[in-house]
Amino acid sequence: AQTVTQSQPEMSVQEAETVTLSCTYDTSENNYYLFWYKQPPSRQMILVIRQEAYKQQNATENRFSVNFQKAAKSFSLKISDSQLGDTAMYFCAFMPYSGAGSYQLTFGKGTKLSVIP
Amino acid sequence: DAMVIQNPRYQVTQFGKPVTLSCSQTLNHNVMYWYQQKSSQAPKLLFHYYDKDFNNEADTPDNFQSRRPNTSFCFLDIRSPGLGDAAMYLCATSRPTGQGRSKLFFGSGTQLSVL
Repeated sequence: AQTVTQSQPEMSVQEAETVTLSCTYDTSENNYYLFWYKQPPSRQMILVIRQEAYKQQNATENRFSVNFQKAAKSFSLKISDSQLGDTAMYFCAFMPYSGAGSYQLTFGKGTKLSVIP
Repeated sequence: DAMVIQNPRYQVTQFGKPVTLSCSQTLNHNVMYWYQQKSSQAPKLLFHYYDKDFNNEADTPDNFQSRRPNTSFCFLDIRSPGLGDAAMYLCATSRPTGQGRSKLFFGSGTQLSVL
């Protein structure tokens, strides 16, 4: 079974500043996907960024980038130039690449991010 | 725009009174999922359909059932809701294989209250 741990229940950042959200995970799988999802007050879950474990290059999507350390099983999210619209709950999630459970997203408990004007 | 639609946005039911939540999609995705998210917790997968093939998670209570009459629609039935079933229920879809499987599209959720 996989576990995903987010050790920061809440964080805040000044508008236009940079913030990093932490995530660690535990798995015996070698191939898998990692994700960061954003859940704003509207509650709709929105995919922010996806990383495939076999790719060494860190994924980036505009102001969002990850630091993927496979050996350390660490997957942090960096948000640059924070905007008020980034205020949301952020979930780190894991999905095996194949086999049992390969349709299941395992989520961490989330980090509530507040962007302060 | 193609999307995942959940109705209603808010649902109130009485303790023990059966309730059905609905989800529809215009993405023509083979896989549909139901997640339960209790207040301040992470979403938890209840079950998923791959076409007509139903896949129940081992720890999903028998009180929860699902139906998928066609590709576009999927329903979550709670036979006898208890107070502990109050939660946000999220529907999601994905393609069945490859990278498409890893990209889930979520609906806006149905917030269920049990009185």
